[in-house]
Amino acid sequence: DAGVIQSPRHEVTEMGQEVTLRCKPISGHDYLFWYRQTMMRGLELLIYFNNNVPIDDSGMPEDRFSAKMPNASFSTLKIQPSEPRDSAVYFCASSSGQKLFFGSGTQLSVL
Amino acid sequence: GENVEQHPSTLSVQEGDSAVIKCTYSDSASNYFPWYKQELGKGPQLIIDIRSNVGEKKDQRIAVTLNKTAKHFSLHITETQPEDSAVYFCAASGEGAQKLVFGQGTRLTINP
Repeated sequence: DAGVIQSPRHEVTEMGQEVTLRCKPISGHDYLFWYRQTMMRGLELLIYFNNNVPIDDSGMPEDRFSAKMPNASFSTLKIQPSEPRDSAVYFCASSSGQKLFFGSGTQLSVL
Repeated sequence: GENVEQHPSTLSVQEGDSAVIKCTYSDSASNYFPWYKQELGKGPQLIIDIRSNVGEKKDQRIAVTLNKTAKHFSLHITETQPEDSAVYFCAASGEGAQKLVFGQGTRLTINP
């Protein structure tokens, strides 16, 4: 298996622009997670899905952030409008039990 | 909710020596405790995990111990090698819970 696949690997955008991050989970995994990693706050859980349904979005920082999972093999995390404080590494992870498998992340820089 | 504290934030050891990283958790209902290793430019990777019905688990040079009474668990790496240099994260979650809460991470450096 190719593992969790995220795109793009790097994203540089200007404040106010819309940003869309993409994730393909491991086939057969029924949970998908979006995490954000920063030096100050470490690894934060933003939202997670079970069988494509959002279960807990309490970590989503603001209404500017939204996530979707239209099918079992694809999820997006959208930030609109983006702000410099959104700069971070965003990870997608999937699991079929409690063991999480992470993607390589998207390094987002908002100028 | 669960809170996980991890110490130290940085650790430097000589190649061949042992390294120990410690974590405490707050929720006595937590029963699953994984450790992740994150190398530069990559996502965290699970290296070992332990459940609350076990006190210790080993996998080659890596071991994890759990003290449920004190609510702390530790990662032990013996005979350290340069490739062990990375950031290590502990985490905890409760019964049937998918929501892992991570510690702040420990940057381990192995000096040749």
